[in-house]
Amino acid sequence: KNEVEQSPQNLTAQEGEFITINCSYSVGISALHWLQQHPGGGIVSLFMLSSGKKKHGRLIATINIQEKHSSLHITASHPRDSAVYICAVRYNYGGSQGNLIFGKGTKLSVKP
Amino acid sequence: GAVVSQHPSRVICKSGTSVKIECRSLDFQATTMFWYRQFPKQSLMLMATSNEGSKATYEQGVEKDKFLINHASLTLSTLTVTSAHPEDSSFYICSARGTAYSPLHFGNGTRLTVT
Repeated sequence: KNEVEQSPQNLTAQEGEFITINCSYSVGISALHWLQQHPGGGIVSLFMLSSGKKKHGRLIATINIQEKHSSLHITASHPRDSAVYICAVRYNYGGSQGNLIFGKGTKLSVKP
Repeated sequence: GAVVSQHPSRVICKSGTSVKIECRSLDFQATTMFWYRQFPKQSLMLMATSNEGSKATYEQGVEKDKFLINHASLTLSTLTVTSAHPEDSSFYICSARGTAYSPLHFGNGTRLTVT
């Protein structure tokens, strides 16, 4: 069982729509990452969160530590946002090297 | 911004041969580098963690004699797939960070096909 659950698995949106991708995890974490994987496989780290909210351009990431839940929002979506978005968490455990556990990803397609 | 360069981006090799993949941090010193494998439509899976100058720590189920990792400098880690088999065909990605809680930077990945 994957300890990091993402929803939805697939998402199709029209250009301009507001998009939300959700991530839930099971135990205490020290950090949560949102990653963007392009069709060629390359990965870009979008956010690293341990609390609250971060914003970068049209992207907003929030995390609720008590509810063990994070969301990634994209405002005014654009076809170039089409990619797989991956949530990854770093759990709190002794001796951790900061290893990440990855969700399966959400494939986003934004239609013009 | 920080960049991690991974090379090659694609490699095709014959069964039984060895393949080396390089991961370089271009503008920061990477004390820790991670190697991941991703099968089609699957999550990224951590294979091993390497700290500069130390032996790599492998995840359960990953054969250390098959996947040789070297992190000899603060800017370079290599993954060598030895005696490759078709089932080793996968997408291999590295990531690197400076300090323990620095942001992670990912390479663009290497598509390995073993024929």
